[in-house]
Amino acid sequence: EAQVTQNPRYLITVTGKKLTVTCSQNMNHEYMSWYRQDPGLGLRQIYYSMNVEVTDKGDVPEGYKVSRKEKRNFPLILESPSPNQTSLYFCATRTGRYGYTFGSGTRLTVV
Amino acid sequence: EDQVTQSPEALRLQEGESSSLNCSYTVSGLRGLFWYRQDPGKGPEFLFTLYSAGEEKEKERLKATLTKKESFLHITAPKPEDSATYLCAVEAAGNKLTFGGGTRVLVKP
Repeated sequence: EAQVTQNPRYLITVTGKKLTVTCSQNMNHEYMSWYRQDPGLGLRQIYYSMNVEVTDKGDVPEGYKVSRKEKRNFPLILESPSPNQTSLYFCATRTGRYGYTFGSGTRLTVV
Repeated sequence: EDQVTQSPEALRLQEGESSSLNCSYTVSGLRGLFWYRQDPGKGPEFLFTLYSAGEEKEKERLKATLTKKESFLHITAPKPEDSATYLCAVEAAGNKLTFGGGTRVLVKP
């Protein structure tokens, strides 16, 4: 069964303090992506990766970085978080005909 | 620009009262349309993938259909455990996934 694991589940941080949200998948899928979910705005794609060392911007990439050094991991990096990045974040992998499998989410609060 | 619009935003049903959710879309080169269920604070859970107009998929009390401009999620004789937010998403070329705003469904016993 495809699993996507995100850590941490909850994170409270201060403005400007660099943080990383980790994401790993157990099925050797090539495609991985990050989304943020905000009330009234739905799920919006931040970054995606088609394969190792291949990443591209989604709809809302400003203020975020990603890396894909190995197939199973796709961390999301906020180098200088700001309060407008307070959100619920999801990592996902493309699982063929069965769509996308999402992680359990990371609720980030930037104060 | 790809767009997905879901209606209604919220739906209150009595247990057993069947209804339909709508997802209308405009996309360049549709590769697939997905329906997900999301419970509060959790990740979206996959329900269906539809690839071409006329296609239908069923799972328990849920049935999804697809036309060239919209998809419907029919909920037949819903139970309280069907209460959730239902999300529609379209996939375009390059694995670009665009979500609608969702429909919050509340089924009262």
